Amino acid sequence: NAGVMQNPRHLVRRRGQEARLRCSPMKGHSHVYWYRQLPEEGLKFMVYLQKENIIDESGMPKERFSAEFPKEGPSILRIQQVVRGDSAAYFCASSPEIPVDTGELFFGEGSRLTVL
Amino acid sequence: EDKVVQSPLSLVVHEGDTVTLNCSYEVTNFRSLLWYKQEKKAPTFLFMLTSSGIEKKSGRLSSILDKKELFSILNITATQTGDSAVYLCAVFYSGNTGKLIFGQGTTLQVKP
Repeated sequence: NAGVMQNPRHLVRRRGQEARLRCSPMKGHSHVYWYRQLPEEGLKFMVYLQKENIIDESGMPKERFSAEFPKEGPSILRIQQVVRGDSAAYFCASSPEIPVDTGELFFGEGSRLTVL
Repeated sequence: EDKVVQSPLSLVVHEGDTVTLNCSYEVTNFRSLLWYKQEKKAPTFLFMLTSSGIEKKSGRLSSILDKKELFSILNITATQTGDSAVYLCAVFYSGNTGKLIFGQGTTLQVKP
């Protein structure tokens, strides 16, 4: 049973380009979360999605960032017109249900974005 | 503002030492507290704590929650070099979104 799969693992973009990060949740998981980890900081919540729905996007920057989790295929975090401050590790996590009572939240290995 | 604060931020010990990592929180609508270990890749789940005073234990690691004083500790006894990692504390809060608020992490280095 494969874990949470993220790709690419490393991505280099120049300022102004677009970055697309993909996340395939564990089999049977319908809840996906994106977190960002800046250098020397903890993980910060960005967005929580279920299939075809954004449930909570309170951690997403208002501009340039968007996320989706289509009926078929992986969840995608899209960053338009990247700036140097977007350089970070982006982690995806998934759960079979809301994990507040079970703690069953599984993380991928992250996608490291470097903006030149 | 909701926050989770970990201390110390970094720690260097020698194999065999015992360490205590601290996590305090100020969070409205607290649900549970989790500890993760991160070794340069995916954070891996260690413990989930919901009730005060009940110790969770796994091998050389143990953790306990104090909901009155709003903190948790993670103990590691007889440390090994393989324990070197960043230890993350996180809290579930704010209803049923499954959103976690994380502390900054404690970087533990265990020297041979």
